[in-house]
Amino acid sequence: GAGVSQSPRYKVTKRGQDVALRCDPISGHVSLYWYRQALGQGPEFLTYFNYEAQQDKSGLPNDRFSAERPEGSISTLTIQRTEQRDSAMYRCASSLAAGPYEQYFGPGTRLTVT
Amino acid sequence: AQRVTQPEKLLSVFKGAPVELKCNYSYSGSPELFWYVQYSRQRLQLLLRHISRESIKGFTADLNKGETSFHLKKPFAQEEDSAMYYCALSSNNAGNMLTFGGGTRLMVKP
Repeated sequence: GAGVSQSPRYKVTKRGQDVALRCDPISGHVSLYWYRQALGQGPEFLTYFNYEAQQDKSGLPNDRFSAERPEGSISTLTIQRTEQRDSAMYRCASSLAAGPYEQYFGPGTRLTVT
Repeated sequence: AQRVTQPEKLLSVFKGAPVELKCNYSYSGSPELFWYVQYSRQRLQLLLRHISRESIKGFTADLNKGETSFHLKKPFAQEEDSAMYYCALSSNNAGNMLTFGGGTRLMVKP
């Protein structure tokens, strides 16, 4: 079956612009996670959802970052007024349910802010 | 706060040699530990988790709570093992979000 998909795969934007990154999880997966990975580092947790409810957003670095999952399926991570330090790989993962289930990762979106 | 440390950024071995990728963690509760792998031009994927106690692709990892370690081992490395390896920790009371180490790049030379 289809895995987790993310779009766009690559995004180059100018500083100050807003960007929206999309994640389409595996069908039927309850939990959806967003991570950010800077070059040379491991992924860092941003936020996660169970169904449409945002359960934890403690990893969002500041209020320019927001995420939603309005119908409990596709999720959008939005970064307003982008800055160069936002440049990173943004990874989405989904899992069957909340609990000790495997997280399946998407291919990631490479964001470059110029 | 939970933390995962992978002290080696790069590990280079010859084919057939033993491999050990180190992982240490700090966590006050009872953690779940994982190894994720990313092969070239592929997405991040689960390699193994400590609660399953499986051997995947010849790799094993034992959770040592006394030393707070979860090192990944393979007795005989293969060229196809060349990849980026990430150790990760999950806490059951935090929604199972993963805390990753910085990763170790394994290069297996012919």
